[in-house]
Amino acid sequence: DIQMTQSPSSVSASVGDRVAITCRASQDIGSWVAWYQQKAGKAPVLLIYAASTLQSGVPSRFSGSGSGTDFILTISSLQPEDSATYYCQQAKRFPIAFGQGTRLEIK
Amino acid sequence: QVHLAESGGGLVKPGGSLRLSCAASGFTFSDYYMGWMRQAPEKGLEWVSYISTTGSYTNYADSVMGRFTISRDNAKNSVFLQMDSLRADDTAVYYCARVMDIVLIPAAIDYWGRGTLVTVSS
Repeated sequence: DIQMTQSPSSVSASVGDRVAITCRASQDIGSWVAWYQQKAGKAPVLLIYAASTLQSGVPSRFSGSGSGTDFILTISSLQPEDSATYYCQQAKRFPIAFGQGTRLEIK
Repeated sequence: QVHLAESGGGLVKPGGSLRLSCAASGFTFSDYYMGWMRQAPEKGLEWVSYISTTGSYTNYADSVMGRFTISRDNAKNSVFLQMDSLRADDTAVYYCARVMDIVLIPAAIDYWGRGTLVTVSS
C-alpha cells in the first residue's frame, strides 16, 4: 500500500506570509495527488488535483507542484480564512490514502 | 448545484448493523464514481470505499473489507453503505463523496456531503 506523509504536522504563520506544506509518497505516484482544505466542523474542500491543477473557484494564491514522490501545496499570501487543516491524497492506486494532515494556524 | 445529503447515522452496539444513504442532486448521477470517506473524532480523513458509475466495480479499505458493502441506485440518484459487524473503531463522521475522474481514473473528490455521525458503543 502507498503511504502519504505530510510535513509539518502543524504550522503557524502571519497574514501575508508564504506557506508551504509537503507531502511525500512511499512510492512513485506520478501526478496523482489531490489537496484538500478542511475547516473546523466542516467537510473538506478540494483545492488541487493532478498535483497542480487548481479546482474551479479556488483562489489563485493556492498552488500545487511536484511529481513522483514529493509534492508541495503553497499558499502564496496567507489570509485569515486560510486557517484550517490541509490533507494530501494519492489517487494512483487502491487503497486510496490520505496524509495525516497539517494544521495551519494564523498568528 | 451539486448537493449530497447523507442520512442513516446514529448509535449502534458493537456487532450491530447500520445502512447509510446519500441522496445526490444537481448533476448527472450516473456519470460519476461515488464514494464514502470517514473521519474519527479528532482524527484525519480515511477513505472507505468507491463504486463505479454502473456499480460493476467496487473498492474497499482493508479496515472495512468483508464488513461494509457499497451500492448505488442510479434511478434514485442514491448511494448506500451497508455496515455490518460494526466495531468501536468504526465510530466516525461518514461523508458521501462525488469522485471526479481523469481519463476514467478516479482522481479526486470534488464534492463532499456534510457527513453523518456513526457511533458504535455499548
